[in-house]
Amino acid sequence: SQKIEQNSEALNIQEGKTATLTCNYTNYSPAYLQWYRQDPGRGPVFLLLIRENEKEKRKERLKVTFDTTLKQSLFHITASQPADSATYLCALHNSNSGYALNFGKGTSLLVTP
Amino acid sequence: EADIYQTPRYLVIGTGKKITLECSQTMGHDKMYWYQQDPGMELHLIHYSYGVNSTEKGDLSSESTVSRIRTEHFPLTLESARPSHTSQYLCASSEPKGYKGDEQFFGPGTRLTVL
Repeated sequence: SQKIEQNSEALNIQEGKTATLTCNYTNYSPAYLQWYRQDPGRGPVFLLLIRENEKEKRKERLKVTFDTTLKQSLFHITASQPADSATYLCALHNSNSGYALNFGKGTSLLVTP
Repeated sequence: EADIYQTPRYLVIGTGKKITLECSQTMGHDKMYWYQQDPGMELHLIHYSYGVNSTEKGDLSSESTVSRIRTEHFPLTLESARPSHTSQYLCASSEPKGYKGDEQFFGPGTRLTVL
């Protein structure tokens, strides 16, 4: 069966440091992978999409890598700030239902001053 | 801020009641989705629609039903609510830009509690 695995343990880091979150997947052949941010009690917000032919994608302080051989994506936040504290979700295309997505459980990030 | 709205934001009802969760988007997106999410768990797709008069069930078995009579509106109905339906329900929409699974825009969610 298809699986998306993200670090279940919360990640606590100090402000200014780089946060690195991991997403591993099995039984997918994704053309792309997406990352979302979710705050408590809110819907997810899209952050970045990276395609299979892209090794790396950047947006401001965010960087995503995509290794289809390792079946893994890494999500980096540089110069982290307390406002970056949230849960970050990895998502892949749901092959059974058209354009819908399958999401990982997410990794909770806490950035302390 | 995405132009997708859900009402009510919070709902507490008794077992056996019929409820409708509303979802509307003003972006003109053809594709809309309903996800269910329990605390600390992943989102599960329960329904989706490719456009007007199109509805499909998702991977997670759900006793709810949906309709898509207008592009902007995708309501979800529970004919007889049970405590097992207690969860957060998230509505989303997307518009393809030439490749599958483009970014989805989510509403704020409805937190449903069935007593």
